Amino acid sequence: RKEVEQDPGPFNVPEGATVAFNCTYSNSASQSFFWYRQDCRKEPKLLMSVYSSGNEDGRFTAQLNRASQYISLLIRDSKLSDSATYLCVAFYNQGGKLIFGQGTELSVKP
Amino acid sequence: DVKVTQSSRYLVKRTGEKVFLECVQDMDHENMFWYRQDPGLGLRLIYFSYDVKMKEKGDIPEGYSVSREKKERFSLILESASTNQTSMYLCASSPGGPNTDTQYFGPGTRLTVL
Repeated sequence: RKEVEQDPGPFNVPEGATVAFNCTYSNSASQSFFWYRQDCRKEPKLLMSVYSSGNEDGRFTAQLNRASQYISLLIRDSKLSDSATYLCVAFYNQGGKLIFGQGTELSVKP
Repeated sequence: DVKVTQSSRYLVKRTGEKVFLECVQDMDHENMFWYRQDPGLGLRLIYFSYDVKMKEKGDIPEGYSVSREKKERFSLILESASTNQTSMYLCASSPGGPNTDTQYFGPGTRLTVL
């Protein structure tokens, strides 16, 4: 079983839709979590950090449920420019390692 | 802005060649990392380093070695390239201390081994 698991998608949604991604992690020792965004043939870039129960930044909301060991990312009012792969990441303080999920592909259509 | 640069965007090598991938960061970060990214597998950690001349094995170190002679530079070495090392290679860096969990990535090197 992978340490961080995501639905690979692709998620195909129309502009303006609300879309949610879920991610589960297996190691309860995970300290913090992140969502990275990766455009086609580009490097991952940090989208949001999730240290406690959740975080909101404009149209993006990330939530953390430690009891169930999952993290979610909600995107409201999707834009064409949101099309990318979204990577769920867990951080383990011991060893200072980031563990990446395989990514969820989002395609927003006009 | 943090700047992480990698020596090549695209590289084509032959089986058995020795390959050097270079990564440089300009933010005086203590920590540097090498990942490879493959479809369906996500990013996997090859090696990382917390200080000059220090290195730690990641999850998939076999077939690779690294060198960190200067703080800003972290090199990944494929001693004898094989076709299963065809991949996208991503370098990242992060500061030490409480911000260790945020990593900044370079643009990646897409390596093809023929």
